[in-house]
Amino acid sequence: GAVVSQHPSWVICKSGTSVKIECRSLDFQATTMFWYRQFPKQSLMLMATSNEGSKATYEQGVEKDKFLINHASLTLSTLTVTSAHPEDSSFYICSAVQDNSNQPQHFGDGTRLSIL
Amino acid sequence: GENVEQHPSTLSVQEGDSAVIKCTYSDSASNYFPWYKQELGKRPQLIIDIRSNVGEKKDQRIAVTLNKTAKHFSLHITETQPEDSAVYFCAAFTGTASKLTFGTGTRLQVTL
Repeated sequence: GAVVSQHPSWVICKSGTSVKIECRSLDFQATTMFWYRQFPKQSLMLMATSNEGSKATYEQGVEKDKFLINHASLTLSTLTVTSAHPEDSSFYICSAVQDNSNQPQHFGDGTRLSIL
Repeated sequence: GENVEQHPSTLSVQEGDSAVIKCTYSDSASNYFPWYKQELGKRPQLIIDIRSNVGEKKDQRIAVTLNKTAKHFSLHITETQPEDSAVYFCAAFTGTASKLTFGTGTRLQVTL
């Protein structure tokens, strides 16, 4: 149980393109989903917390107009990287939790984003 | 906010030896401490976790200890095997902030 599906797993696109990443909880309803970014040989850095039906809460330094997050249902959250540039190239990972007061978080497989 | 420090950054042990990774946290309100194993290019996998009302937890070759007073927790892997080689992350969950803060990671290499 507690499977989180993330798509796509790998994206290569030109600078200026917008990229959408989907995160789905397959066998449970996720009241909260999290989006992380991980640069090579570094730790996971939380970008934003997404609660179903409300606006995402962004961490300090993360541009909300660049990283658009939508959590329209209890099983789906999307992250759109708008006008992506090479410095946005990274490994993006989502996680989901049924009840944020009762961890653990379940992670998706991640999306490797490469901007040329 | 919460700050989690993790040591060592790299650890090399011989197969069969034990490995210990230590983490400290700063926010006394943190109440949940998971450990994740991440292989290159893959998702973090939860290997063990502990809540603040417990001092120690064991699952086969893996154990975690928590000292709330000192605000530190440790991962112990016994009888290490080559397949234990990976990057390990500790994390602390703060209910008041409702988020997980990760340590910087430890690259464990188990040699034959």
